Amino acid sequence: EVQLVESGGGLVQPGRSLRLSCAASGFTFDDYAMHWVRQAPGKGLEWVSGISLSSESIAYADSVKGRFTISRDNAKNSLYLQMNNLRAEDTALYYCAKGADYVETRIDYWGQGTLVTVSS
Amino acid sequence: QSVLTQPPSVSAAPGQKVTISCSGSSSNIGNHYVSWYQQLPGTAPKLLIYENNKRPSGIPDRFSGSKSGTSATLGITGLQTGDEADYYCGTWDRGLTAWVFGGGTKLTVL
Repeated sequence: EVQLVESGGGLVQPGRSLRLSCAASGFTFDDYAMHWVRQAPGKGLEWVSGISLSSESIAYADSVKGRFTISRDNAKNSLYLQMNNLRAEDTALYYCAKGADYVETRIDYWGQGTLVTVSS
Repeated sequence: QSVLTQPPSVSAAPGQKVTISCSGSSSNIGNHYVSWYQQLPGTAPKLLIYENNKRPSGIPDRFSGSKSGTSATLGITGLQTGDEADYYCGTWDRGLTAWVFGGGTKLTVL
């Protein structure tokens, strides 16, 4: 069974940093692309970033480009999101999601999310 | 403003059929597979349809997907009260080099 467990969310002041982690199990982690998708309170889904199986291909939404960095450690079956210079509009539930063979192909499993609140 | 356009809401009676549309462009739906997701209240999204019309194991055949040109459609037959949820379409956009989602459609089963 695919399991994705996010951690690292919390309350942070504008301009500060936060690092999210995602522990994956139930599948061969280094065979799949991975993603971060967020959902602001009461709003729809917004894709944040995706990374290919060997980290050679990485993509970001324009809204986070230059501030967020996605990475993965295949030896630890883990996905990360380093978020710098956080803004109020980054407040959201952040989901770790499993992709397929490429970043461009389907997103098929989602974790339960970790909440990030950016407020002074 | 979402890149993919969905109706904000649809409704139908139990047992009836409903369709949800998703409109895009040649940069996204026109050249990439479409996925559909169901998000029940208070839960994470769940994959319903991938590669335009394929169902993952465990998804009942009441759910179907189709694509024509730059639009895609999710169909749900034999509506149940448990189908009340938000539904999202999603695909890759080659111009933005990013995944894009529709704004979501809230299904109400009257």
